[in-house]
Amino acid sequence: EVQLVESGGGLVKPGGSLRLSCAASGFTFSSYSMNWVRQAPGKGLEWVSSISSSSSYIYYADSVKGRFTISRDNAKNSLYLQMNSLRAEDTAVYYCASRSSSWWFDPWGQGTLVTVSS
Amino acid sequence: SYVLTQPPSVSVAPGKTARITCGGNNIGSKSVHWYQQKPGQAPVLVIYDDSDRPSGIPERFSGSNSGNTATLTISRVEAGDEADYYCQVWDSSSDHVVFGGGTKLTVL
Repeated sequence: EVQLVESGGGLVKPGGSLRLSCAASGFTFSSYSMNWVRQAPGKGLEWVSSISSSSSYIYYADSVKGRFTISRDNAKNSLYLQMNSLRAEDTAVYYCASRSSSWWFDPWGQGTLVTVSS
Repeated sequence: SYVLTQPPSVSVAPGKTARITCGGNNIGSKSVHWYQQKPGQAPVLVIYDDSDRPSGIPERFSGSNSGNTATLTISRVEAGDEADYYCQVWDSSSDHVVFGGGTKLTVL
């Protein structure tokens, strides 16, 4: 069974840092590009970042560029998101998702909640 | 930056057809993907590459894309189809993924 499980969310103060992880199983992780997508409470989906299978290509949304860093460890079947200089507006459920060559996302993890508040 | 525009809400009676639009400048030249999200759950891909259905998605779900509008059509709507629906594209000019604002489908 293909599965993505996020972890690392929690409560952090403005200006703080957090590292999210996404553990993949049931498919050849190293062959797929991966992504982070977030959803603020009661809001729509917002793409955060994408990384290619070999980490050669990395993209960020303007809202997180310079503060967030996406990375992966294919040996550990894991995806990461290092989040620095966190702001209240970064409060959201963060999903990891596998990406096709045509840029559709499937499957998605269940999400992990990040709350930025003093 | 590229913008996708969806109606905030669509209402339909059970058994009828729901159409959810996604507007964007020359969106017909892009591949459009659609997701269904029920409360408290992760999004699920229901249409990819404009009109293809992943395995396990009912044939009642279909998609089209032309000109400045892509459309997700749900035939013979059921109560279980009530959810938020999002369209999505890859904008190669900005190297950004773009999501529409989402449409809440209400089954009357």
